[in-house]
Amino acid sequence: GAGVSQSPSNKVTEKGKDVELRCDPISGHTALYWYRQRLGQGLEFLIYFQGNSAPDKSGLPSDRFSAERTGESVSTLTIQRTQQEDSAVYLCASSAKVGRDTQYFGPGTRLTVL
Amino acid sequence: AQSVTQLGSHVSVSEGALVLLRCNYSSSVPPYLFWYVQYPNQGLQLLLKYTTGATLVKGINGFEAEFKKSETSFHLTKPSAHMSDAAEYFCAVSPTNTGNQFYFGTGTSLTVIP
Repeated sequence: GAGVSQSPSNKVTEKGKDVELRCDPISGHTALYWYRQRLGQGLEFLIYFQGNSAPDKSGLPSDRFSAERTGESVSTLTIQRTQQEDSAVYLCASSAKVGRDTQYFGPGTRLTVL
Repeated sequence: AQSVTQLGSHVSVSEGALVLLRCNYSSSVPPYLFWYVQYPNQGLQLLLKYTTGATLVKGINGFEAEFKKSETSFHLTKPSAHMSDAAEYFCAVSPTNTGNQFYFGTGTSLTVIP
């Protein structure tokens, strides 16, 4: 079956512009995570959605970052007024049910801010 | 806050030799533990996980890991390295008592020498 997909695969933008990254989770997966992976570093948790519950936004690094998810479908991560330090690979993962279930990762979006 | 330490950002082994990738975590309560692998140009995929029960966990491709509470460790091993094992390996933990966040280590890049 189809896995987690993300678009675009690569995004180059100028400092100060807004960007929107998209994640399509596996159908039926209730949980969805966003992570950031800077060059040479581990995955940094950003935000977590679980069904219709309020998302866990505790990992968002600043108010320039926001994310939405409609029901149990597509999610978008928006970065406003991008900065060079936002350059990273942004990974999305989904899992089937509540709790520490296996996460299935998308291929990521590589964001470069010039 | 949780932390995950992977000792050795780069590990090289000869083909057929033992693979040992180290992971230690900081937590007063044993978390759930995961190893993920990222092959070149691919997304992360789950190798194995420990939630409860037997502390020696077997995963895909001949890998296994042992949860040692006294050492707060979850080291990954494979008796005999294969060229196809060359990849980036990430250890991750999820606290059992503070929601559904996951914390990843910085990763270990495994090189297999023919």
